[in-house]
Amino acid sequence: KNQVEQSPQSLIILEGKNCTLQCNYTVSPFSNLRWYKQDTGRGPVSLTIMTFSENTKSNGRYTATLDADTKQSSLHITASQLSDSASYICVWGGGNKLTFGTGTQLKVEL
Amino acid sequence: NAGVTQTPKFQVLKTGQSMTLQCAQDMNHEYMSWYRQDPGMGLRLIHYSVGAGITDQGEVPNGYNVSRSTTEDFPLRLLSAAPSQTSVYFCASSYSTGQASSYNSPLHFGNGTRLTVT
Repeated sequence: KNQVEQSPQSLIILEGKNCTLQCNYTVSPFSNLRWYKQDTGRGPVSLTIMTFSENTKSNGRYTATLDADTKQSSLHITASQLSDSASYICVWGGGNKLTFGTGTQLKVEL
Repeated sequence: NAGVTQTPKFQVLKTGQSMTLQCAQDMNHEYMSWYRQDPGMGLRLIHYSVGAGITDQGEVPNGYNVSRSTTEDFPLRLLSAAPSQTSVYFCASSYSTGQASSYNSPLHFGNGTRLTVT
């Protein structure tokens, strides 16, 4: 069983709408929690990295939150754009000890 | 701003053939790594390097070799390709090498090599 689980598996939203992606992790102790965006046919690109002392971090229209007590993180996308269509991957850990989720496939439509 | 460059983008091999996937970065990163991405699974670490001349195994190293003769280059060699090695391979690099200091460094990924073994 993957120690980093993401939901939903896929999501379709209309352009301009907000959405929230979820990540639950079971690995411990807490290291750091990362979110990556992966466009089709491209490599993942880092959006945010949160350490144990941070419970929210923003990068433009992307805001990640972390609840270390419940081992949950979320990625909120505000005012979605067509270019937000991608897979969003939640990652626990640091250095060479990274555990990747399987991603949420987001499609933004007109 | 080349970042991490991987070649080739696509490759088809027959079972038993060997090949080398190339990876180069121009950011002077000490840490480099290879991952494979398969449908329905998260990225999995194959091998990594914390500096020139230093390499180590990741989660799924069998069937793959690496070397790190320079800071810039980190090639991945498939010794005898098998259908189970059909995957998308990503090379990634980051600034720091020490466990503590590298924890907060983002990984910079190349755009991948899609390998099919028939």
